[in-house]
Amino acid sequence: QKEVEQDPGPLSVPEGAIVSLNCTYSNSAFQYFMWYRQYSRKGPELLMYTYSSGNKEDGRFTAQVDKSSKYISLFIRDSQPSDSATYLCAMMTTDSWGKFQFGAGTQVVVTP
Amino acid sequence: GAVVSQHPSWVICKSGTSVKIECRSLDFQATTMFWYRQFPKQSLMLMATSNEGSKATYEQGVEKDKFLINHASLTLSTLTVTSAHPEDSSFYICSAKTGGHGMETQYFGPGTRLLVL
Repeated sequence: QKEVEQDPGPLSVPEGAIVSLNCTYSNSAFQYFMWYRQYSRKGPELLMYTYSSGNKEDGRFTAQVDKSSKYISLFIRDSQPSDSATYLCAMMTTDSWGKFQFGAGTQVVVTP
Repeated sequence: GAVVSQHPSWVICKSGTSVKIECRSLDFQATTMFWYRQFPKQSLMLMATSNEGSKATYEQGVEKDKFLINHASLTLSTLTVTSAHPEDSSFYICSAKTGGHGMETQYFGPGTRLLVL
């Protein structure tokens, strides 16, 4: 079983819709939960991260962590065609700094 | 934000040859660099961690004699795939970490696509 599971998609939504992305994980030691966005032929760029449980909001993006269910989510409101990219979740324990466990990434397509 | 570059962006080589991939932090000094590999439809998998001036730490299952990592300066790390074979064809991506402990301190390069014929 993979430590981090993420549906690869593609996920196609119309412009203005809410994009809902999620990952599940098996390692209860994960404490840091990150979301990266990756455009084609580019490196991943950090969107936001959460430590432990809870919600975090940044503009149109909201990240949620439910440690009891080992489930994390990313919501993108008012989606734009420029949001079309692959979204990667990543996780890390506190004693393995920088050693991320990534999900496979979900390809998102926002159609005008 | 900080910039990490990789060179080359893609490379095609014959089976049995060695390929060197460079990872540079352009506007900051990287205390630590990480090398990942990604096969199609799969996750980025950490291969090794390197700190400037010391030997790299390899993840379980990664052959250190096949994937040579050199972190000779605070702005440059290299990954050499020795005696490459078709199964080594993959997307190799590095990340570089500045000082501090926030997630914002780690930056990824654009990746290098390797195709071994």
